[in-house]
Amino acid sequence: GENVEQHPSTLSVQEGDSAVIKCTYSDSASNYFPWYKQELGKGPQLIIDIRSNVGEKKDQRIAVTLNKTAKHFSLHITETQPEDSAVYFCAASRTNAGKSTFGDGTTLTVKP
Amino acid sequence: NAGVTQTPKFRILKIGQSMTLQCTQDMNHNYMYWYRQDPGMGLKLIYYSVGAGITDKGEVPNGYNVSRSTTEDFPLRLELAAPSQTSVYFCASTQKEGATEAFFGQGTRLTVV
Repeated sequence: GENVEQHPSTLSVQEGDSAVIKCTYSDSASNYFPWYKQELGKGPQLIIDIRSNVGEKKDQRIAVTLNKTAKHFSLHITETQPEDSAVYFCAASRTNAGKSTFGDGTTLTVKP
Repeated sequence: NAGVTQTPKFRILKIGQSMTLQCTQDMNHNYMYWYRQDPGMGLKLIYYSVGAGITDKGEVPNGYNVSRSTTEDFPLRLELAAPSQTSVYFCASTQKEGATEAFFGQGTRLTVV
């Protein structure tokens, strides 16, 4: 089955700096790569996703890049703000798989 | 739309007791999932369902049971609760099978003492 590894497990940055979280996956058939943000006491919520036919996707301060050859994808947050502090999860899935595989999460702390 | 609703939000159980965690979604999604999240850890899939009447085991199904009699509801049953089942439980649903956004409930924090 699919295996997703996520690094780092914790990340601390100063407000205004950039943050990068990386994930690798094992199943070359995976074609959907979402990123979820989990705030304290809440369920994860989708913030951005990318499909295997696209190399990069941006949404304001957030971007995701995908390297299919190397089987890794990354989340980039620019101009970080204290409200970006949360746990971020990557995931990988493929059409007709029935379920996604999640990384173990990254706790991001943005210091004001 | 309410999305995915879980009840209760918090629960303390004694060892050996049983309980049912409720999950309902109003998005007419066929696919529903139960995850557990241990402190500082990721999401582990317990059970999932691809439609009413169909369920399948995930990574960590031991000690749990599920049923899916309707599209909307996907309850998770704990029999003979053990301290190892202390965790936060999340229910989720997706519109399509794989390759699509998952919508999560707010979670149920369960403590077994």
